[in-house]
Amino acid sequence: AQTVTQSQPEMSVQEAETVTLSCTYDTSESDYYLFWYKQPPSRQMILVIRQEAYKQQNATENRFSVNFQKAAKSFSLKISDSQLGDAAMYFCAYMPNFGNEKLTFGTGTRLTIIP
Amino acid sequence: GAVVSQHPSWVICKSGTSVKIECRSLDFQATTMFWYRQFPKQSLMLMATSNEGSKATYEQGVEKDKFLINHASLTLSTLTVTSAHPEDSSFYICSARVPLAGQETQYFGPGTRLLVL
Repeated sequence: AQTVTQSQPEMSVQEAETVTLSCTYDTSESDYYLFWYKQPPSRQMILVIRQEAYKQQNATENRFSVNFQKAAKSFSLKISDSQLGDAAMYFCAYMPNFGNEKLTFGTGTRLTIIP
Repeated sequence: GAVVSQHPSWVICKSGTSVKIECRSLDFQATTMFWYRQFPKQSLMLMATSNEGSKATYEQGVEKDKFLINHASLTLSTLTVTSAHPEDSSFYICSARVPLAGQETQYFGPGTRLLVL
């Protein structure tokens, strides 16, 4: 079974600084997707960034980028120029590219932005 | 990104009554939708996978007769909590899978807060 591990329950960063959230996963599959979702206090799950396992190039979305290390099964999220609106729970998730494609979530990292 | 709506956003009901929650994909057709439950300060727990035109697939430990799922069209899945009890109080979230080859992603609804008195 696939597992996703987020070893940082809480992180904090000064506004305008950069922070990296860690995620590791375990799978025997070679074809899959990885995601970072953000859940602010409203509890709406918002897709932050998506990575296809077959792509070596790291995904980037504006201030958000990932460091995808397939061999190490690591998928960290870097947030640059942190803003107050980035404060939220961040969940790392894995989805295989077959079958019903269920998402497996990590336990989440709560990010606090210090003004 | 794709838009998923959920209704109602809040529901309070008496113990023993049934509650229906709707999940709609607004700008795409979703053959597969998912239902999750989330307890405070915890991650999402998958309850079931809803496939259009067929029976839902429930995760281990989820009572099929308690949580009825119907996926009657390509844009609508419903979750009915039957004979609700206080322990069913929770935050329920649906997601819909965008079935575009090479762009597989799940987008989430805003969630439904259920309080059973």
